[in-house]
Amino acid sequence: SQTIHQWPATLVQPVGSPLSLECTVEGTSNPNLYWYRQAAGRGLQLLFYSVGIGQISSEVPQNLSASRPQDRQFILSSKKLLLSDSGFYLCAWTGTGSGNTIYFGEGSWLTVV
Amino acid sequence: GENVEQHPSTLSVQEGDSAVIKCTYSDSASNYFPWYKQELGKGPQLIIDIRSNVGEKKDQRIAVTLNKTAKHFSLHITETQPEDSAVYFCAASMKGSARQLTFGSGTQLTVLP
Repeated sequence: SQTIHQWPATLVQPVGSPLSLECTVEGTSNPNLYWYRQAAGRGLQLLFYSVGIGQISSEVPQNLSASRPQDRQFILSSKKLLLSDSGFYLCAWTGTGSGNTIYFGEGSWLTVV
Repeated sequence: GENVEQHPSTLSVQEGDSAVIKCTYSDSASNYFPWYKQELGKGPQLIIDIRSNVGEKKDQRIAVTLNKTAKHFSLHITETQPEDSAVYFCAASMKGSARQLTFGSGTQLTVLP
């Protein structure tokens, strides 16, 4: 069966420091991969999505970037964090055999201080 | 693009009562409508979904109805239990869209014992 792993689960970073959140999917190949952010409140905002290695689409202008160095690996990065980058970050995937069904990881809590 | 509105934003029910959450969508081309449950500090989990070729789908205490003409769909939870307390999200998407889902703003459901 397919599983999605996301880490770290929690981190506290000072303003201006770099960020790297990592996500991997197991049990499938060539998934579509996504990064969402969930700020205070409940809304889910799509940040990036990728349909293949090296293919990244950005949904909103921001201080973050994403990369997909391997088929089942998706990384969210920042060179210099801002206070406004604080939030709950969720990695997600869909597979070719699952239609539009999207599956989320457990999320990463980022607090920028 | 697609716009999904979800109501109510908060809902409190007594244990054993039913809960109904409603969503409307704007793009008549949308044909896939999942519902997610998100517990505190965790990623959203798919609980039920419906495609546009059916009007209703049930899974034990959970059911979803879809009215394509009116462009709205609803989640029904019967015999609610305290463990049903969570934030629920509806979403809509079009088959084949790599950009995937447009989410509603979420409903905080509280089941009172």
